Amino acid sequence: DQQVKQNSPSLSVQEGRISILNCDYTNSMFDYFLWYKKYPAEGPTFLISISSIKDKNEDGRFTVFLNKSAKHLSLHIVPSQPGDSAVYFCAASASWNTGFQKLVFGTGTRLLVSP
Amino acid sequence: DAGVTQSPTHLIKTRGQQVTLRCSPKSGHDTVSWYQQALGQGPQFIFQYYEEEERQRGNFPDRFSGHQFPNYSSELNVNALLLGDSALYLCASSLVGDRGYIQYFGAGTRLSVL
Repeated sequence: DQQVKQNSPSLSVQEGRISILNCDYTNSMFDYFLWYKKYPAEGPTFLISISSIKDKNEDGRFTVFLNKSAKHLSLHIVPSQPGDSAVYFCAASASWNTGFQKLVFGTGTRLLVSP
Repeated sequence: DAGVTQSPTHLIKTRGQQVTLRCSPKSGHDTVSWYQQALGQGPQFIFQYYEEEERQRGNFPDRFSGHQFPNYSSELNVNALLLGDSALYLCASSLVGDRGYIQYFGAGTRLSVL
């Protein structure tokens, strides 16, 4: 049972354009969402997060949007840079307020930004 | 400031053997979580340790066990290895009260079971 889904295995974007990565979830108990970026031979690196009390969070070139009614979130990268090329994982948690987070990950989307 | 460190980086074992993986959390962190990432998949939660106790556990058999030491470092033990245990094992650390308990990951240990 895949509770967090990233239906696009890959995405190609030109440098300077917007990258939009999508994520859907099924568990209505999830109340905290995170995006991680992973380069080969490295561990996932935290990028940005959002709690369920918000519908948008922005950090520099990265913005995450949350649509609770649709159980959908998206990560926007503007402008995209070649260094953004990596695998992006969406993750969700149902217990962030207790301090004991069990992150549930999607399968990832490979982003390729070409010059 | 050292991040999360894991050892070894690569490991080759045969079926039926036992393996121990090690993790040192980011300085100041007190909670350690372990994840298994199979090829082409996202990381899957194995268990989480805080104050030397297992606090949460994912859907993994009892062959997977762990330990946390007083200095917050942690070990993951897997007994009776199966071919299907071949994966990247990731350790993540976090601190209660730190930015909503965001987990910071190490580079992982690549385990191959032959």
